[in-house]
Amino acid sequence: SAVISQKPSRDICQRGTSLTIQCQVDSQVTMMFWYRQQPGQSLTLIATANQGSEATYESGFVIDKFPISRPNLTFSTLTVSNMSPEDSSIYLCSVVGLLITEAFFGQGTRLTVV
Amino acid sequence: SQQGEEDPQALSIQEGENATMNCSYKTSINNLQWYRQNSGRGLVHLILIRSNEREKHSGRLRVTLDTSKKSSSLLITASRAADTASYFCATDPRGSQGNLIFGKGTKLSVKP
Repeated sequence: SAVISQKPSRDICQRGTSLTIQCQVDSQVTMMFWYRQQPGQSLTLIATANQGSEATYESGFVIDKFPISRPNLTFSTLTVSNMSPEDSSIYLCSVVGLLITEAFFGQGTRLTVV
Repeated sequence: SQQGEEDPQALSIQEGENATMNCSYKTSINNLQWYRQNSGRGLVHLILIRSNEREKHSGRLRVTLDTSKKSSSLLITASRAADTASYFCATDPRGSQGNLIFGKGTKLSVKP
């Protein structure tokens, strides 16, 4: 299994500002993903964080709004840009190991935009 | 887009009873996984069942998979108050690289 450290665990931000969320894994993993969970909803995949190249975004998510970095195999960041109250959600980092079996999740970042 | 659909959306039972949650999906999969989430925190992986498996056990958990019906069930036996949480199924579609498609989840409440 992988141990994932996600920071911050929660934040309250002003609209129009940006927040960068960090995800650190204790071992090298092949795939890293970012999910969003809106209040009372299930998880929706935002993007796949690719090491050394641009992330692959799912339909409805764009790089200008959710820029993602992955400089190495154990670290990734997700930025939520120009925030509005609709961005209030839990954002979760997920990793999959070499065998691409079960996915492991960070504890999530609970974002509230006021 | 979401592929998994769980039912029921909410389930309330007494401690000691069994809880059964169902999940349906739409496309071919490599595997199906069940996760638990306590009060909007991170997800805890419970069990993975591969597409060529029909049933799997882990402690008080029993998962079945019917690929012909594209459905799965999670049974928690002898439930405890600590089992109170939301439970999600997630599919790993064939051809994916580990990105999961989550169902809407079942909110389980176990009353002591």
